[in-house]
Amino acid sequence: AQRVTQPEKLLSVFKGAPVELKCNYSYSGSPELFWYVQYSRQRLQLLLRHISRESIKGFTADLNKGETSFHLKKPFAQEEDSAMYYCALSAFGNEKLTFGTGTRLTIIP
Amino acid sequence: GAGVSQSPSNKVTEKGKDVELRCDPISGHTALYWYRQSLGQGLEFLIYFQGNSAPDKSGLPSDRFSAERTGGSVSTLTIQRTQQEDSAVYLCASSSRTGWNTEAFFGQGTRLTVV
Repeated sequence: AQRVTQPEKLLSVFKGAPVELKCNYSYSGSPELFWYVQYSRQRLQLLLRHISRESIKGFTADLNKGETSFHLKKPFAQEEDSAMYYCALSAFGNEKLTFGTGTRLTIIP
Repeated sequence: GAGVSQSPSNKVTEKGKDVELRCDPISGHTALYWYRQSLGQGLEFLIYFQGNSAPDKSGLPSDRFSAERTGGSVSTLTIQRTQQEDSAVYLCASSSRTGWNTEAFFGQGTRLTVV
């Protein structure tokens, strides 16, 4: 079974400080990992996916298969980063996305 | 339209009444999801449709909740005999796999208030 765990419901970080949103997953096969974001009064949308190895809005995430983690990081937080962040997993060959319960990130000015 | 569309945007209903929430997915998307998002809380999975396969109903909280997907396109989530704890934002998403790429697109949600 697929499972995604985001241990922090709430996270507050000062502007300019580093940000790390934790995500751990449980899946025995080859996973695809994603981060989704929901800004205030906007739709939930894709932020980045591990397969693309991309950096979006300064955020990066590295898939660590040994630790089964996909933490989201940004070196210097900005106020506009305040949002709800969801980690998600899809199994190759099984399209169903499984989401974590989310972390609300608040950037303190 | 280009995106996932949900209707109505807002619904206020009296306790005990039935409600129907509609989702129009992106054309051609084979997968469709319903989630619930309570105030300040995260996503709660409700149901997943994939093509012609039997839906994954494992997230439905009670037998008052049901969902259909007609013709592999439009979906309706029905809540019978609504209760105050059903008040939440109901989100629909659709996706389709292209090679390694799977991205879910979300609707704007239906805010349900049971009074």
